[in-house]
Amino acid sequence: DTEVTQTPKHLVMGMTNKKSLKCEQHMGHRAMYWYKQKAKKPPELMFVYSYEKLSINESVPSRFSPECPNSSLLNLHLHALQPEDSALYLCASSQDLAGGREQYFGPGTRLTVT
Amino acid sequence: GENVEQHPSTLSVQEGDSAVIKCTYSDSASNYFPWYKQELGKGPQLIIDIRSNVGEKKDQRIAVTLNKTAKHFSLHITETQPEDSAVYFCAASNENSGGSNYKLTFGKGTLLTVNP
Repeated sequence: DTEVTQTPKHLVMGMTNKKSLKCEQHMGHRAMYWYKQKAKKPPELMFVYSYEKLSINESVPSRFSPECPNSSLLNLHLHALQPEDSALYLCASSQDLAGGREQYFGPGTRLTVT
Repeated sequence: GENVEQHPSTLSVQEGDSAVIKCTYSDSASNYFPWYKQELGKGPQLIIDIRSNVGEKKDQRIAVTLNKTAKHFSLHITETQPEDSAVYFCAASNENSGGSNYKLTFGKGTLLTVNP
């Protein structure tokens, strides 16, 4: 099973709201990723967690705050977003960062900021 | 850093025909090349990958070829079907890089349309 689940599927939020995106995998993977994807573009890496520790932050604005509570869960906390942050947010996981690096993506959360 | 170029950006074929999508990469240290299929409204799905110790890999109607000398790799889909219609992304990475430097670099994508 190579399933990564994400909730919610769709989210509409105002610029003053606080919301969270959730991601879960039960493949025993120890690396988890957040990507942002705009229409007709490839995914852009935002954050990478390895063994529940933040390994990569691709200079993402602080209004995006990732959290990895345990090896199966990844959250992305959103606060004071801008309309240009509207996009598909994808979570992915891989066995680890040291080898076997096939990344498996979830279905994404379609975020609209009004 | 790595740069991946993907061509064509759109491809339209008749059902049953073959489709070929090509990617070139710039970093000779790259050694892992996955292909993803993304259907409308869904996340990217890993469909096949190749590592630099092999030149070709097949999985039913899908094959990937790699030319390390020329730094290019291609996706071949035979006997295309309407359900193959999607956006396809190639990517490249260096599996030997340190954990904090590991990153998939994606091509810009190819919209494949298979006409019945």
